[in-house]
Amino acid sequence: GDSVTQMEGPVTLSEEAFLTINCTYTATGYPSLFWYVQYPGEGLQLLLKATKADDKGSNKGFEATYRKETTSFHLEKGSVQVSDSAVYFCALSSGGTSYGKLTFGQGTILTVHP
Amino acid sequence: NAGVTQTPKFQVLKTGQSMTLQCAQDMNHNSMYWYRQDPGMGLRLIYYSASEGTTDKGEVPNGYNVSRLNKREFSLRLESAAPSQTSVYFCAGTRGGSYEQYFGPGTRLTVT
Repeated sequence: GDSVTQMEGPVTLSEEAFLTINCTYTATGYPSLFWYVQYPGEGLQLLLKATKADDKGSNKGFEATYRKETTSFHLEKGSVQVSDSAVYFCALSSGGTSYGKLTFGQGTILTVHP
Repeated sequence: NAGVTQTPKFQVLKTGQSMTLQCAQDMNHNSMYWYRQDPGMGLRLIYYSASEGTTDKGEVPNGYNVSRLNKREFSLRLESAAPSQTSVYFCAGTRGGSYEQYFGPGTRLTVT
């Protein structure tokens, strides 16, 4: 079945540091890939997505590239801010239907200190 | 627009009690989902409804039932709560096709 593996956390960084959160996946066919972010006390919200190989998703300074050869979708940001402190989830949807079912990774807690 | 709303925000139950978690959306979503979130395990799909009038089991359906009352509302019922059902529950919806899911704010449930 489908699965998503994220790097173990939590991750603690100083403001303006470079961020990488690793994500690899196993899926049949050609999945769509997503990063969701969850701020404290809130539900998840979509951060970025990529629907085919070599696509780059980007939003709010975050980027991730769909790498089919390495089955990866690593999240990066060049300079993090305190306001980026949140839990980040990598997810995939195998498609093939219109139901949009998502398979999530376990989440990575990011804390950014001033 | 309110988006996806959930009630209640918090609930404490004793083992064996029943309750229904409510979810409603005003985003014209065709498909709706119930997830549970547990530490270190991400979100796991409990049940989903691909369209009004249909429901299907997800990854962890045991101990739960759902009702897609109409296009807007999708409720989750615990018939006999157990401590293992202590979790944060999220409802989500999608129009379908784009696969972007919109999440509610969650219900934090504790079963003692």
